[in-house]
Formats: sequence, structure tokens, C-alpha cells
Amino acid sequence: QKEVEQNSGPLSVPEGAIASLNCTYSDRVSQSFFWYRQYSGKSPELIMSIYSNGDKEDGRFTAQLNKASQYVSLLIRDSQPSDSATYLCAVPFGNEKLTFGTGTRLTIIP
Amino acid sequence: GAVVSQHPSWVICKSGTSVKIECRSLDFQATTMFWYRQFPKQSLMLMATSNEGSKATYEQGVEKDKFLINHASLTLSTLTVTSAHPEDSSFYICSADPAGAGAKNIQYFGAGTRLSVL
Repeated sequence: QKEVEQNSGPLSVPEGAIASLNCTYSDRVSQSFFWYRQYSGKSPELIMSIYSNGDKEDGRFTAQLNKASQYVSLLIRDSQPSDSATYLCAVPFGNEKLTFGTGTRLTIIP
Repeated sequence: GAVVSQHPSWVICKSGTSVKIECRSLDFQATTMFWYRQFPKQSLMLMATSNEGSKATYEQGVEKDKFLINHASLTLSTLTVTSAHPEDSSFYICSADPAGAGAKNIQYFGAGTRLSVL
């Protein structure tokens, strides 16, 4: 069964701290992984993609991938109130369409 | 790059009428587009996969005769909600996959259409 699992939260993080979001997936052969941010009432926005094991950094965001453990995470450094949103992990199983996790709701506390 | 335009952004209609939603890829060609529905505080639900020049593939439980999808060109897909009823009120979001450009299954989303059926 194709599954992408995330802790639904809410995850509360003080402003300026590091927010850590986690995602596990069920398909060992998946090759690409995505993080989307969705503000309340808005559509998802792609913020990170990662294809290789290890870390990928883009500004305050770092994606971490461990294919052996079937685990992908997103770190947000120096968290800002504007980072408050739901973060969706997405994985294509095989060569098919993306499967989305249910999302983690993140709240940054000023 | 990778801009997806969705129109209208919101629509209010009377029960029994039909509503058409357009999804356009502005700066890339999209062989495949996707239509999602999202109810408040719930996760994205894939309704169908729209393939240019062929019939859409609907997810289990989605009525193909109620949600008509047309993907007539590489930059445009439309979703028509036929004979809409209040229970069809939801946030409808399209996405496009710029496959063929080494995009590796990325999807870029439109801004969404909020449908309210009275």
C-alpha cells in the first residue's frame, strides 16, 4: 500500500527556533521527494525537492533524505511567524502521480 | 517559471447549475494535469488525472459524469461540475506536471477555486 505519513500536529515552535518536520513513506523505490507549504485557504506551494540521500539547503530550509530509512524531513531555521502553515510531504510511487501526506500544521509563536 | 493559472478564483452558483473551472500552464506544456478537492481542515483529495488528448482517469468514488474533465491542449484543462449541489461546495485545485523537462513528477498548483453552491 502506498503511504506517506506525517504527524498532523499542531507543531508549535518559538520564533527564531528550528522547526523540524518529518515524513515517512512506504515505497523503497521512490526517487523524488517534495515539500509543499499550504497557507490556510490557499493552494499548496512547492518549497523544496530532493532526490539524493543527504541534505539539500535552500535559504532557511533544509531537506534531509534517508532512503534506507524511507524518511525525509524539512528543517526551517530561524522560524518566522510567516512560516505558520501546513506542510505537505509528497512522494511519487513508482513513476506515478504524487501521493501526499495529510500534512503537519506548524505554528510559529512570536 | 512553472506558473499555473486557475480561473475563476471563486464562484457562487445556484443548485442545479453547472460551473466550469479552467487550469492553464502559462510557461510550460503539461501533458498531465491533476484536479484535487479539499474540504475545510482536511487534506488534498485527488479527483482525477487529466491527460492531453485522452480521457481523464478518475479516482475511486469520483463520479465522472458529474465532474467532466477536458484536456484539449498541452496548456489547458477544464473541470466542469455539472448540476452542482450544496455538497459540491469545496475548494477545487488543479496542478500541472511539466514532465519531459526532467521535472521528476513535480506538480505545480494553481491558486484554487472556491465553489459555493446555494
